[in-house]
Amino acid sequence: GDSVTQMEGPVTLSEEAFLTINCTYTATGYPSLFWYVQYPGEGLQLLLKATKADDKGSNKGFEATYRKETTSFHLEKGSVQVSDSAVYFCALSDPVYGNTPLVFGKGTRLSVIA
Amino acid sequence: SQTIHQWPATLVQPVGSPLSLECTVEGTSNPNLYWYRQAAGRGLQLLFYSVGIGQISSEVPQNLSASRPQDRQFILSSKKLLLSDSGFYLCAWSVTGETQYFGPGTRLLVL
Repeated sequence: GDSVTQMEGPVTLSEEAFLTINCTYTATGYPSLFWYVQYPGEGLQLLLKATKADDKGSNKGFEATYRKETTSFHLEKGSVQVSDSAVYFCALSDPVYGNTPLVFGKGTRLSVIA
Repeated sequence: SQTIHQWPATLVQPVGSPLSLECTVEGTSNPNLYWYRQAAGRGLQLLFYSVGIGQISSEVPQNLSASRPQDRQFILSSKKLLLSDSGFYLCAWSVTGETQYFGPGTRLLVL
Protein backbone atom coordinates (compact mmCIF):
# COMPACT_ATOMS: atom_id res chain seq x y z
CA GLY A 1 0.00 0.00 0.00
CA ASP A 2 0.87 3.66 -0.16
CA SER A 3 3.14 5.14 2.50
CA VAL A 4 4.86 8.36 3.55
CA THR A 5 8.21 8.50 5.32
CA GLN A 6 9.42 11.61 7.12
CA MET A 7 12.69 12.34 8.80
CA GLU A 8 12.70 11.58 12.49
CA GLY A 9 12.58 14.51 14.84
CA PRO A 10 12.81 16.49 16.87
CA VAL A 11 14.60 19.12 14.84
CA THR A 12 16.02 22.05 16.80
CA LEU A 13 17.19 25.16 14.96
CA SER A 14 18.24 28.66 15.85
CA GLU A 15 16.15 31.55 14.59
CA GLU A 16 16.94 32.52 10.97
CA ALA A 17 18.45 29.10 10.20
CA PHE A 18 17.57 27.18 7.02
CA LEU A 19 15.04 24.40 7.40
CA THR A 20 14.67 21.17 5.46
CA ILE A 21 12.31 18.40 6.49
CA ASN A 22 12.60 15.37 4.25
CA CYS A 23 9.57 13.47 2.98
CA THR A 24 9.50 10.54 0.58
CA TYR A 25 6.54 8.51 -0.56
CA THR A 26 5.46 5.31 -2.26
CA ALA A 27 2.23 5.30 -4.21
CA THR A 28 0.42 3.17 -6.75
CA GLY A 29 -0.92 6.05 -8.81
CA TYR A 30 0.08 9.68 -9.27
CA PRO A 31 -0.70 11.19 -5.90
CA SER A 32 -1.29 14.70 -4.70
CA LEU A 33 1.12 15.70 -1.93
CA PHE A 34 0.54 17.85 1.14
CA TRP A 35 2.27 19.42 4.10
CA TYR A 36 0.23 20.09 7.22
CA VAL A 37 1.34 21.98 10.32
CA GLN A 38 0.13 21.46 13.88
CA TYR A 39 0.82 24.21 16.42
CA PRO A 40 0.79 23.22 20.11
CA GLY A 41 -2.67 22.28 21.34
CA GLU A 42 -4.34 22.82 17.97
CA GLY A 43 -5.64 20.81 15.04
CA LEU A 44 -3.78 20.40 11.76
CA GLN A 45 -3.70 23.19 9.20
CA LEU A 46 -2.96 22.75 5.52
CA LEU A 47 0.37 24.46 4.85
CA LEU A 48 0.83 23.75 1.15
CA LYS A 49 0.14 21.19 -1.52
CA ALA A 50 1.16 20.07 -5.01
CA THR A 51 -0.94 18.00 -7.36
CA LYS A 52 1.46 16.97 -10.12
CA ALA A 53 5.14 16.41 -10.82
CA ASP A 54 7.40 19.50 -10.73
CA ASP A 55 4.69 21.59 -9.07
CA LYS A 56 5.93 23.79 -6.24
CA GLY A 57 3.65 24.48 -3.31
CA SER A 58 4.39 27.54 -1.21
CA ASN A 59 2.91 29.37 1.76
CA LYS A 60 4.20 31.55 4.63
CA GLY A 61 7.76 31.31 3.33
CA PHE A 62 7.66 27.49 3.18
CA GLU A 63 8.16 25.67 -0.12
CA ALA A 64 8.07 22.07 -1.34
CA THR A 65 8.56 20.72 -4.85
CA TYR A 66 6.92 17.52 -6.11
CA ARG A 67 9.80 15.39 -7.40
CA LYS A 68 8.48 12.32 -9.18
CA GLU A 69 11.93 10.99 -10.08
CA THR A 70 12.97 10.82 -6.44
CA THR A 71 9.43 10.35 -5.04
CA SER A 72 10.06 13.22 -2.66
CA PHE A 73 8.34 16.34 -1.36
CA HIS A 74 10.84 17.98 1.00
CA LEU A 75 9.73 21.01 3.00
CA GLU A 76 12.06 24.02 3.07
CA LYS A 77 12.18 27.49 4.56
CA GLY A 78 15.02 29.91 4.17
CA SER A 79 14.83 31.58 7.58
CA VAL A 80 12.81 30.06 10.40
CA GLN A 81 11.22 31.99 13.24
CA VAL A 82 10.31 30.98 16.78
CA SER A 83 6.66 31.05 15.68
CA ASP A 84 7.39 28.19 13.23
CA SER A 85 7.83 25.79 16.16
CA ALA A 86 5.27 23.06 15.50
CA VAL A 87 4.83 19.51 14.25
CA TYR A 88 4.90 19.11 10.47
CA PHE A 89 3.13 16.25 8.67
CA CYS A 90 3.67 15.13 5.10
CA ALA A 91 0.71 13.38 3.44
CA LEU A 92 -0.48 12.00 0.12
CA SER A 93 -3.76 11.35 -1.65
CA ASP A 94 -3.70 8.58 -4.25
CA PRO A 95 -6.49 8.77 -6.87
CA VAL A 96 -6.11 5.05 -7.58
CA TYR A 97 -7.93 4.39 -4.32
CA GLY A 98 -10.71 6.87 -4.97
CA ASN A 99 -12.44 8.40 -2.00
CA THR A 100 -10.10 7.29 0.80
CA PRO A 101 -8.36 9.22 3.58
CA LEU A 102 -4.98 10.85 3.21
CA VAL A 103 -1.94 8.79 4.10
CA PHE A 104 0.12 10.68 6.68
CA GLY A 105 3.73 10.47 7.77
CA LYS A 106 4.49 10.25 11.47
CA GLY A 107 5.25 13.93 11.83
CA THR A 108 8.40 15.92 12.54
CA ARG A 109 8.60 18.19 15.55
CA LEU A 110 10.44 21.46 14.93
CA SER A 111 11.67 23.66 17.75
CA VAL A 112 13.12 27.06 16.90
CA ILE A 113 15.08 28.83 19.62
CA ALA A 114 15.81 32.55 19.77
CA SER B 1 -17.07 29.50 3.94
CA GLN B 2 -16.79 26.12 5.60
CA THR B 3 -16.16 25.64 9.31
CA ILE B 4 -15.75 22.58 11.48
CA HIS B 5 -16.61 22.40 15.17
CA GLN B 6 -15.68 19.89 17.81
CA TRP B 7 -16.87 19.63 21.36
CA PRO B 8 -16.11 19.43 24.06
CA ALA B 9 -12.65 20.99 23.81
CA THR B 10 -11.40 19.14 26.90
CA LEU B 11 -12.78 16.17 28.79
CA VAL B 12 -11.67 14.29 31.88
CA GLN B 13 -13.44 10.96 32.36
CA PRO B 14 -13.01 7.99 34.74
CA VAL B 15 -12.10 4.55 33.42
CA GLY B 16 -15.22 2.60 32.50
CA SER B 17 -17.37 5.63 31.80
CA PRO B 18 -19.07 6.27 28.42
CA LEU B 19 -17.87 8.75 25.84
CA SER B 20 -19.50 10.91 23.21
CA LEU B 21 -17.54 13.38 21.11
CA GLU B 22 -19.27 15.44 18.47
CA CYS B 23 -18.10 16.98 15.24
CA THR B 24 -20.16 19.17 12.93
CA VAL B 25 -19.32 20.82 9.65
CA GLU B 26 -20.98 23.95 8.25
CA GLY B 27 -21.01 25.40 4.77
CA THR B 28 -20.75 22.24 2.71
CA SER B 29 -22.89 19.26 1.73
CA ASN B 30 -22.14 15.54 1.75
CA PRO B 31 -18.59 15.86 3.07
CA ASN B 32 -16.32 12.94 3.78
CA LEU B 33 -15.74 12.88 7.54
CA TYR B 34 -12.86 11.44 9.54
CA TRP B 35 -11.91 10.73 13.16
CA TYR B 36 -8.24 10.57 14.16
CA ARG B 37 -6.54 10.01 17.48
CA GLN B 38 -3.18 11.42 18.44
CA ALA B 39 -1.50 10.02 21.53
CA ALA B 40 0.89 12.32 23.37
CA GLY B 41 3.93 13.04 21.21
CA ARG B 42 2.80 10.60 18.53
CA GLY B 43 1.49 10.73 14.98
CA LEU B 44 -2.05 10.49 13.68
CA GLN B 45 -4.03 7.29 13.90
CA LEU B 46 -7.07 7.11 11.61
CA LEU B 47 -9.99 5.63 13.55
CA PHE B 48 -13.05 5.97 11.30
CA TYR B 49 -14.14 7.63 8.12
CA SER B 50 -17.50 8.14 6.46
CA VAL B 51 -18.45 9.00 2.89
CA GLY B 52 -22.15 9.41 3.64
CA ILE B 53 -24.94 9.12 6.22
CA GLY B 54 -24.84 5.73 7.89
CA GLN B 55 -21.66 4.70 6.04
CA ILE B 56 -18.78 4.13 8.46
CA SER B 57 -15.43 2.51 7.77
CA SER B 58 -13.44 1.37 10.77
CA GLU B 59 -9.68 1.37 10.48
CA VAL B 60 -8.69 0.01 13.87
CA PRO B 61 -10.69 -2.52 15.94
CA GLN B 62 -11.12 -1.19 19.46
CA ASN B 63 -13.73 -0.19 22.00
CA LEU B 64 -14.67 2.94 20.05
CA SER B 65 -17.50 3.36 17.55
CA ALA B 66 -18.64 6.11 15.22
CA SER B 67 -21.97 7.21 13.85
CA ARG B 68 -23.15 9.71 11.30
CA PRO B 69 -26.78 10.49 12.06
CA GLN B 70 -26.88 13.55 9.83
CA ASP B 71 -25.02 14.65 6.71
CA ARG B 72 -22.69 17.02 8.55
CA GLN B 73 -22.52 15.40 11.98
CA PHE B 74 -20.03 12.76 13.05
CA ILE B 75 -20.03 11.26 16.54
CA LEU B 76 -17.35 9.20 18.27
CA SER B 77 -18.53 7.01 21.13
CA SER B 78 -17.46 4.44 23.64
CA LYS B 79 -19.46 2.42 26.13
CA LYS B 80 -16.53 1.95 28.54
CA LEU B 81 -13.39 4.05 28.38
CA LEU B 82 -9.93 2.57 28.91
CA LEU B 83 -6.83 4.39 30.14
CA SER B 84 -5.35 3.87 26.67
CA ASP B 85 -8.16 5.94 25.14
CA SER B 86 -6.53 9.12 26.45
CA GLY B 87 -5.34 11.38 23.65
CA PHE B 88 -6.16 14.20 21.33
CA TYR B 89 -9.11 13.45 19.04
CA LEU B 90 -9.30 15.23 15.73
CA CYS B 91 -12.19 15.40 13.31
CA ALA B 92 -11.64 16.32 9.67
CA TRP B 93 -13.66 16.78 6.52
CA SER B 94 -13.05 16.79 2.79
CA VAL B 95 -15.16 17.12 -0.31
CA THR B 96 -12.99 15.78 -3.07
CA GLY B 97 -11.30 13.09 -1.02
CA GLU B 98 -8.11 15.09 -1.34
CA THR B 99 -7.45 18.06 0.92
CA GLN B 100 -8.67 17.40 4.44
CA TYR B 101 -9.57 20.21 6.84
CA PHE B 102 -9.24 19.61 10.55
CA GLY B 103 -11.18 20.74 13.57
CA PRO B 104 -9.62 22.19 16.73
CA GLY B 105 -9.60 18.82 18.50
CA THR B 106 -10.81 17.39 21.80
CA ARG B 107 -8.32 16.54 24.50
CA LEU B 108 -9.47 13.46 26.44
CA LEU B 109 -7.89 12.35 29.68
CA VAL B 110 -9.05 9.05 31.14
CA LEU B 111 -8.18 8.58 34.82
